[in-house]
Amino acid sequence: SQTIHQWPATLVQPVGSPLSLECTVEGTSNPNLYWYRQAAGRGLQLLFYSIGIDQISSEVPQNLSASRPQDRQFILSSKKLLLSDSGFYLCAWIAPPSSDRADYGYTFGSGTRLTVV
Amino acid sequence: LAKTTQPISMDSYEGQEVNITCSHNNIATNDYITWYQQFPSQGPRFIIQGYKTKVTNEVASLFIPADRKSSTLSLPRVSLSDTAVYYCLVGEWTGRRALTFGSGTRLQVQP
Repeated sequence: SQTIHQWPATLVQPVGSPLSLECTVEGTSNPNLYWYRQAAGRGLQLLFYSIGIDQISSEVPQNLSASRPQDRQFILSSKKLLLSDSGFYLCAWIAPPSSDRADYGYTFGSGTRLTVV
Repeated sequence: LAKTTQPISMDSYEGQEVNITCSHNNIATNDYITWYQQFPSQGPRFIIQGYKTKVTNEVASLFIPADRKSSTLSLPRVSLSDTAVYYCLVGEWTGRRALTFGSGTRLQVQP
């Protein structure tokens, strides 16, 4: 079965410090991977998505970057965190279009709550 | 991409049926309608998906009229544990473009 791992669960970082959040998927190949951010009490904002290794699309210009060094690994980074980077970060995947699935949709990780102080 | 409109919040009592409607007037031919449930500090969880007419699973039912310009998520006999935010997503699951979540509907179930 497919699983998605995201860590750490919580993180408190000072302003100006770097960030690295990691997401890995197991049990599937060539997944489409996504990073979302959710501010307190708000909806989900799409940050990045990737359809393959080193193929990253950015949806919102910001202080963050993403990389996909391996097929099932997706990393969210920042060189210098801002207070506005605080939020709940979620990684998600969907199976590639050729999969034999009756239902289509995202599977989300458990999320990382980032507080920038 | 089809834009969706949902009520911001709804209140209900335990044991009642709850219907949450989502409007998606510019839905495209290949778009599916998918509903997610999110509890605080957790990622959204897939509830149900449909293309047309009615879909039912062990958790909910999804009603889609013939014109597909709206859809209704029906939760039978809600309990306190159904208190969550519910999102309606509309789009084609090719993976070439990510879908955008709206603000969702915050359902509060009272005892």
